[in-house]
Amino acid sequence: AQKVTQAQTEISVVEKEDVTLDCVYETRDTTYYLFWYKQPPSGELVFLIRRNSFDEQNEISGRYSWNFQKSTSSFNFTITASQVVDSAVYFCALSDVKSGGGADGLTFGKGTHLIIQP
Amino acid sequence: ETGVTQTPRHLVMGMTNKKSLKCEQHLGHNAMYWYKQSAKKPLELMFVYSLEERVENNSVPSRFSPECPNSSHLFLHLHTLQPEDSALYLCASSPRGSSYNSPLHFGNGTRLTVT
Repeated sequence: AQKVTQAQTEISVVEKEDVTLDCVYETRDTTYYLFWYKQPPSGELVFLIRRNSFDEQNEISGRYSWNFQKSTSSFNFTITASQVVDSAVYFCALSDVKSGGGADGLTFGKGTHLIIQP
Repeated sequence: ETGVTQTPRHLVMGMTNKKSLKCEQHLGHNAMYWYKQSAKKPLELMFVYSLEERVENNSVPSRFSPECPNSSHLFLHLHTLQPEDSALYLCASSPRGSSYNSPLHFGNGTRLTVT
């Protein structure tokens, strides 16, 4: 069975600090995809990144970076020089091919509520 | 403007009411989903439709009834709900057959309160 754990329920930092959101996943499959979504107060989930299980290269996009470590089954997300607009709930999610392959949706973690204080 | 539109944004209903949530996607996707987001719980997948056929029903109570008349529209019909059904209901879409590696596109959700 798939499982995604985001142990940090809420994180509060002061603007311009760096912050890392943790994500640990469980799956029995060797082929899977990991995602991060952002949910601002408006409600919709906004896609941030997708990573497949065969690509462990870390990725950087502006102030965002992701560290994928298969050895520890983790896919952590770091925001550098955080800004107030980064305040949101962030979800890590997992999809593996065996669980349905087709349109079977994603398994989400419970989310981390990130608060950036000015 | 999001490619997935949900109406209404907010809904308050009594336990004896019947109401429907609507979702429309303008992305040309063939798969659509209903998720339930309750406080302090992971998003729960409720229903999946692929090419208007239901392919997933995650043990959702029968008081929730989905309908997918075409690949662009998805409804969630509600009747005799319970207070614990109060939640944010999110609709999403993706290209058919590739949702395992394609990001889902979500709507803004409908905030449902059952009194």
